[in-house]
Amino acid sequence: EAAVTQSPRNKVAVTGGKVTLSCNQTNNHNNMYWYRQDTGHGLRLIHYSYGAGSTEKGDIPDGYKASRPSQENFSLILELATPSQTSVYFCASGDWGGYFGPGTRLTVL
Amino acid sequence: GQQVQQSPASLVLQEGENAELQCNFSTSLNSMQWFYQRPGGSLVSLFYNPSGTKHSGRLTSTTVIKERRSSLHISSSQTTDSGTYLCALERGNSGTYQRFGTGTKLQVVP
Repeated sequence: EAAVTQSPRNKVAVTGGKVTLSCNQTNNHNNMYWYRQDTGHGLRLIHYSYGAGSTEKGDIPDGYKASRPSQENFSLILELATPSQTSVYFCASGDWGGYFGPGTRLTVL
Repeated sequence: GQQVQQSPASLVLQEGENAELQCNFSTSLNSMQWFYQRPGGSLVSLFYNPSGTKHSGRLTSTTVIKERRSSLHISSSQTTDSGTYLCALERGNSGTYQRFGTGTKLQVVP
């Protein structure tokens, strides 16, 4: 069974601060994804990756960067966090993103 | 516009009743995936269904590409089925184009 973990699980940040959300998967999947989930919008794709060293923009990449330093790890970086980035963030892995992490609840004050 | 429309938005069932959840999409696609999400929880993939009908226990997924629709049938509902059901269409290679619906919130009462 593929395991996808995320850290931190909860985060409170200040406007203008830098936030890094981390994701780790242990099933050797090539593809990894970052989503955010907001009421009324459902899940929206921010960035994704086909493998170590690759990152691609999803539907809503503005204000976010991604980093895939290894097969197992995929990070989402908010260089200058804003209150509009308050959301629940999910990482997923798999050919079709079928394995989701538990989510990170981010609040930007 | 919204490329993936789910209906109904919410549904309340008496335990033992059946439910039919719908997903309609406005663009061509490679496949459709159904997910289950517990309140405040993560998503669990139920079906990856490019076309036709698939079964898993009390769940059945049917995707008809040319009619641009997919459905999820839940038979003999149980209180543990409560949660949100999401569909996602996939287009392109390995999920490069994924669109999620806003979900159907299901509550099954005893």
